[in-house]
Amino acid sequence: DIQMTQSPSSLSASVGDRVTITCRASQTIDTYLNWYQQKLGKAPRLLIYAASNLQRGVPLRFSGSGSGTQFSLTITSLQPEDFATYYCQQSYSAITFGQGTRLEIK
Amino acid sequence: QVQLVQSGAEVKRRGASVKVSCSASGYTFTDSYIHWVRQAPGRGLEWLAWINPRSGATHYAQKFAGRVTLTRDTSISTAYMEMSSLTSDDAAMYYCARTVAPGWETAFDLWGQGTMVIVSS
Repeated sequence: DIQMTQSPSSLSASVGDRVTITCRASQTIDTYLNWYQQKLGKAPRLLIYAASNLQRGVPLRFSGSGSGTQFSLTITSLQPEDFATYYCQQSYSAITFGQGTRLEIK
Repeated sequence: QVQLVQSGAEVKRRGASVKVSCSASGYTFTDSYIHWVRQAPGRGLEWLAWINPRSGATHYAQKFAGRVTLTRDTSISTAYMEMSSLTSDDAAMYYCARTVAPGWETAFDLWGQGTMVIVSS
C-alpha cells in the first residue's frame, strides 16, 4: 500500500496568515492527489483535485501543487472558517489518506 | 438537490453484521463511482472500497476484503455497504462518497452525512 505522510500533524496560525501543509507519498503517484477539509462533526469537503485543480466553489486562497511524491496545500490569508483538519488522499493505487493536519487558531 | 443520504445510526453486538445504505439524488447514479470511507472517533479517514453503480464491479481494500460487501440497486439509486463479524475496532462513522468524474480514481466531490456504527459487547 502507498503510505501518505502529512506534515505537520498540527499547526497553530492566526487569521490572515499564510500556511502550507505538505504531503509525501511513499512512492510516486504522479498527480493522483486530492486535498480535503473536514470540520468537526461534518463530512470531508473536496478542496483540490489532481494535485493543483481548485474544486468549484472553493475560495481562491486555497491552492495545491506538486507531483511524484511531494505535494503541498497552501492557504493564503487564513480566514476564521479555515480552521479545520486537512487530509491528503492518493488514488494512484487503491486509495489512502494522510493522517491529517489539524489547523488551529493561535 | 444533488445529495447522498445515508441510513441512520446502528448499534450492533460484536460478531454481528451491519448494512448501511447511501441514497443518491439529483444526479445520474450510474455516472459516478461510490466509495466508502470510515472514521473512528478522533481518528483519520480510512478507505474501505468502491463500487461502480453502472456495472456493479467492486474493489476492496485488502484489509476489508472478505468482510465488506458492496452492492447497489440502480432502480432506487442506492448503494449499500455491509460489514460482517463486527469488532469494537469497527465502531466508527461510515461515509459514502461520489467521484467527481466517471473513474474510481477521481476525487470525491459529494459525501453522505455519515452513519455512526456503534459496536456493543
